[in-house]
Amino acid sequence: AAGVIQSPRHLIKEKRETATLKCYPIPRHDTVYWYQQGPGQDPQFLISFYEKMQSDKGSIPDRFSAQQFSDYHSELNMSSLELGDSALYFCASSLGRYDTQYFGPGTRLTVL
Amino acid sequence: GESVGLHLPTLSVQEGDNSIINCAYSNSASDYFIWYKQESGKGPQFIIDIRSNMDKRQGQRVTVLLNKTVKHLSLQIAATQPGDSAVYFCAGAYNTDKLIFGTGTRLQVFP
Repeated sequence: AAGVIQSPRHLIKEKRETATLKCYPIPRHDTVYWYQQGPGQDPQFLISFYEKMQSDKGSIPDRFSAQQFSDYHSELNMSSLELGDSALYFCASSLGRYDTQYFGPGTRLTVL
Repeated sequence: GESVGLHLPTLSVQEGDNSIINCAYSNSASDYFIWYKQESGKGPQFIIDIRSNMDKRQGQRVTVLLNKTVKHLSLQIAATQPGDSAVYFCAGAYNTDKLIFGTGTRLQVFP
């Protein structure tokens, strides 16, 4: 079965640089979620989109922005990167809001 | 505030034994709970979920129990196998999109 696709899988950036993470949801899924997981920590919700509109917002820094496109893929844009942004970033998708969230393999971002 | 937490950080069991992983939550309005399994370097993998109008749900070798009175959730894994070794997270949703994850429990299975 098709799963959530995330790219890139690994990303290394310098401080103050920008990064763009991409997420391709499971086919027919219209809701996308972004989570951040620091080393040894549980995933923290950042933001979600339903039918291309932002549906909920969590602890996402102002330096980050995201959107969902007409084909339902989503991109997380991160600017002025800080060392503390180093983490695993997961995208999840669901068929409609409040339905089971299926996670992608994650993007490991390292900020040097 | 909302929180979902696990009682034990590490659980060690022998292959073939049953495993029980516990989770407590604080928001009595929570209406949906999920258990995820996360292997090293991978994304959380859905195991089983339960809604607040149920107190038990069974899957293949797994059972989730929900006790709303004491706001407690547990995941039972029958006949634990080496492939079950991973970090297990419970997560709750409270009428929103976002899942609130608890601190993971590492399950170690010994031969």
